[in-house]
Amino acid sequence: EIVLTQSPATLSLSPGERATLSCRASQSVSNYLAWYQQKPGQAPRLLIYDASTRATGIPARFSGSGSGTDFTLTISSLEPEDFAVYYCQQRSNWPITFGGGTKVEIK
Amino acid sequence: EVQLLESGGGLVQPGGSLRLSCAASGFTFSNFAMNWVRQAPGKGLELVSAISGSGGSTYYADSVKGRFTISRDSSKNTLYLQMNTLRAEDTAVYYCANFDWGYWGQGTLVTVSS
Repeated sequence: EIVLTQSPATLSLSPGERATLSCRASQSVSNYLAWYQQKPGQAPRLLIYDASTRATGIPARFSGSGSGTDFTLTISSLEPEDFAVYYCQQRSNWPITFGGGTKVEIK
Repeated sequence: EVQLLESGGGLVQPGGSLRLSCAASGFTFSNFAMNWVRQAPGKGLELVSAISGSGGSTYYADSVKGRFTISRDSSKNTLYLQMNTLRAEDTAVYYCANFDWGYWGQGTLVTVSS
């Protein structure tokens, strides 16, 4: 099973700041890496798939990069609605696995 | 518009059973694998079970193998999860999800407690 390790666990930032979230895989997942955003009481929302492709309707301030084992989700300038938990997911190998999440909180 | 609507959650005693349903609309249901993902209170996401578009292939997490059964009815565009011998650690919100398109339902809460 591929283990995804997300860091940091918590990111404390102010609106307007840049957020950089990391996801590291225990073995190569090529570019089969997705990022989800989850707010309290809501289902996860797909932000990025195939490591760097934004899903429909996702603002351009969200970007993904990386391949192999190291991936990054960047939020260029945090909006108030971006404070949430972010999960990475790999679909390279079965079973599909998720990272433990990074909480982006207001500083 | 794509919709995934889960139902069937609730409070059940340890050792009991529940059947979750997920009604899908807005896409060709039979063309896609479907998944059940759960989230325990305050915890992360865990893939519990998955089924291929044809229903011929299934996956179960070790934590539920032998207790849960996933199935689908393409004539009804509905995904199911039969959960038997429930344990306290199965308490979670259960989501059905299509990972190919990133569609998720709103979730249904399962609480296992005496």
